[in-house]
Amino acid sequence: GENVEQHPSTLSVQEGDSAVIKCTYSDSASNYFPWYKQELGKRPQLIIDIRSNVGEKKDQRIAVTLNKTAKHFSLHITETQPEDSAVYFCAARAAGNKLTFGGGTRVLVKP
Amino acid sequence: NAGVTQTPKFQVLKTGQSMTLQCAQDMNHNSMYWYRQDPGMGLRLIYYSASEGTTDKGEVPNGYNVSRLNKREFSLRLESAAPSQTSVYFCASSGILGEAEQFFGPGTRLTVL
Repeated sequence: GENVEQHPSTLSVQEGDSAVIKCTYSDSASNYFPWYKQELGKRPQLIIDIRSNVGEKKDQRIAVTLNKTAKHFSLHITETQPEDSAVYFCAARAAGNKLTFGGGTRVLVKP
Repeated sequence: NAGVTQTPKFQVLKTGQSMTLQCAQDMNHNSMYWYRQDPGMGLRLIYYSASEGTTDKGEVPNGYNVSRLNKREFSLRLESAAPSQTSVYFCASSGILGEAEQFFGPGTRLTVL
């Protein structure tokens, strides 16, 4: 089945700096890649997603890039703010239409 | 709209006890999912239901059973709870299997002693 690796597991950045989280996937048939944000004690919520026919997608301060050849995709957060502190999960949809999640990245934005 | 709701919010069981986690959605979604979240492990799919009347195993189905009661409700049952099932359980739903945004419930924190 699909395997999704996510790095780093923790990330500490200064407010205003950029944060980058990287994920790799194993199944070349995967064609949908969402990113979820989970604040402490809360439910995961979708923040951005990308499909395999697109290389990059932006939404205000967040962007996602996809490299199908290398089977990796990344989340970029620019001008980080304290409210960006959370755990972020990447996921990939492979055959069978099931999402497989990465292990998560805990992001801490220091004021 | 309440979105996805789950009951109970917290539960403590003794080893060997059984219980059912309830999930309901009011978004007229076809697909529903059960995940467990352990520290540092991300979300792992237990079971899912592509549509009313169908259920399929996910990554970690052992020790669990599910019932898609109707389009709105999808329950998860632990027949004989074990300490290894201590986790936070999330239910989710989506309009289309897999690809569309999955909306998560608030979660159930389960401790098995």
